[in-house]
Amino acid sequence: EDQVTQSPEALRLQEGESSSLNCSYTVSGLRGLFWYRQDPGKGPEFLFTLYSAGEEKEKERLKATLTKKESFLHITAPKPEDSATYLCAVQGGGGSNYKLTFGKGTLLTVNP
Amino acid sequence: DAGITQSPRHKVTETGTPVTLRCHQTENHRYMYWYRQDPGHGLRLIHYSYGVKDTDKGEVSDGYSVSRSKTEDFLLTLESATSSQTSVYFCAITWVTGNGSPLHFGNGTRLTVT
Repeated sequence: EDQVTQSPEALRLQEGESSSLNCSYTVSGLRGLFWYRQDPGKGPEFLFTLYSAGEEKEKERLKATLTKKESFLHITAPKPEDSATYLCAVQGGGGSNYKLTFGKGTLLTVNP
Repeated sequence: DAGITQSPRHKVTETGTPVTLRCHQTENHRYMYWYRQDPGHGLRLIHYSYGVKDTDKGEVSDGYSVSRSKTEDFLLTLESATSSQTSVYFCAITWVTGNGSPLHFGNGTRLTVT
């Protein structure tokens, strides 16, 4: 069974204070690891897909990296508008039929 | 919103009544999903569909049924609503490629069972 654990559960940063969110996973045959952003009252918004260890993706102040056991979402010089819940999910290749298994998320608050 | 419309957006219903939630997509994607999101549990898969009239169960399917008679519509039915089914329900869609395909989500239906 695929499993995803995200840490910390909540993170408070000052504007400009860089940090990282962690996503640890176990999966049979990783087909993809996904990062999402979710704002209150909205559905998750897709950010990145990572397919293999060593891969990195960047978008504005966000950079996602992947190892064989975990992924990090690095946030550089965050702004208040980066405040959201960040979700990590995996898609396994072992008969998972394209289902995603999600972690519980990290609630990020960036104070001005 | 990736061409996904969920209806209704909010609903309050009484214990024991049947409830149907609708997901409509304009992307002609083959795969559609229903997830529920609860504090402390995150997003959990209820049912999914891999084609018209082709559906399968997820990890929390008890008390729910689904139907897909057209590519664009995926219905989730709570046969007899219970308070434990109070949640936010999200529909998602994806195409399928050889590698992992991200899901794209609607904005959810907030269901309260009193």
